[in-house]
Formats: sequence, structure tokens, C-alpha cells
Amino acid sequence: QVHLQESGPGLVKPSQTLSLTCTVSGGSFSSGDYYWSWIRQLPGKGLEWIGYINYSGMTYHNPSLESRVTMSVETSRNQFSLKLGSVTAADSALYYCASVHMLRGMDVWGRGTTVTVSS
Amino acid sequence: EIVMTQTPLSLPVIPGQPASISCRSSQSLLDNDDGITYLDWYLQKPGQSPQLLIYALSYRASGVPDRFSGSGSVTDFTLKINSVEAEDVGVYYCMQRIEFPYTFGQGTKLEIK
Repeated sequence: QVHLQESGPGLVKPSQTLSLTCTVSGGSFSSGDYYWSWIRQLPGKGLEWIGYINYSGMTYHNPSLESRVTMSVETSRNQFSLKLGSVTAADSALYYCASVHMLRGMDVWGRGTTVTVSS
Repeated sequence: EIVMTQTPLSLPVIPGQPASISCRSSQSLLDNDDGITYLDWYLQKPGQSPQLLIYALSYRASGVPDRFSGSGSVTDFTLKINSVEAEDVGVYYCMQRIEFPYTFGQGTKLEIK
């Protein structure tokens, strides 16, 4: 059974970079059938898809976040990471990582990690 | 981007009664190359992460009870629960993944009357 766990600072200062890591266990991180996504949920709001990365490092991110998003993968550690630059209070949210199967969709989600942007 | 619109946004239901949630997309979610409709349904129970219920329009995810079913075509979709149970409370989201960026509906909050 695949398990995903987000980690990273819970507090980030405005204008700085938010950095999160997702560790994948119990499955094949390098499977070509999967890619790895980040999703966030603003307080009391719905879900916003941030982007994805696959095991070879191919990425796509939501244009709404402009060029502030960087994603990377470290296959040897079964981890993928998210960096969001120039954060503001509007980026305060619950951040999830999820595995995305090409047919089955987002079939496994992490528990999420709360990030607050504040000075 | 593709806009996903759910109705209703709030759904009070008596246990044992059926429930239905609609989702409409601003563009077709049918991939003509592979014949798959890339529409999924997720449930976020209170205090939990979202969980996959239905993928590719009508396939139940592993472990999902058969009281849940997905149907529809092209741009109009429906999630049905044929007999609501107390454990079904939460917010239901539809999501399209035929094109990037993936987009979610606003969510439908199901509560027990």
C-alpha cells in the first residue's frame, strides 16, 4: 500500500520561499504509470491543483501560480518536492501531495501539512 | 482552463435516502483517442484528506462501497449514493484531468438531516 507524507516548515515569512517535500513509501516511485502531484486547500475553501512531476523530472504547474513554482524529484530517496517563491498571506493553506495514476486519478493522498505565511 | 460547476453546494439527506450531485464541465472531458472520460469524484470527510471515490467517470476506487456510482457523458456528470449512511458526510468534489491545469468543482457538502 502506497503511503505519502508531506514535510516542511509550517511558517514562512512573506516574500520568502515555501519548501515542502513528499516522501513516498510502499510503492514503486519510478513507475511510468504514476506521476506525483501537489494540491492545496485555502482555509475553508476548495481544492486547487498546483502541479505535477514524474519520476524523470517532467513537470507541469498551474499557470495561476505563474512562475513561482518549482518542482523536483529525488528518485533515490523516493521523494518529490515543491518550492513556491515570493509567498504572500494568500498562499497560506493546507498543502497535500498525492499520487496520480494515469487511469485511476489521485488514488493516494498524504495527510496534508499546514503552511502559514506570516511575519 | 476548464471550469467545473457543481450543484447543489449543500445537500441535507436523511439516512437511507438516495442522494445525487451534479457536475458540469465547460468543455468535453471525453478523450476521443482512448475513449476515456477523465472525470473523477473525491470525498473529503471532516478533518481528513480527500479520498478517491470514482475515477474515469464510472469506476469505483478500491474499497468504495457499491452504493456509490458515477455516470454522465461529455460535459454533464452525476454522482449517486443509493442509500446514504452517516459515514458519507463530508464534501464531495468532482475533478477533471483531461487537460492541464486539473480543476475541481467548488464542492458539495453532504450532511445528515
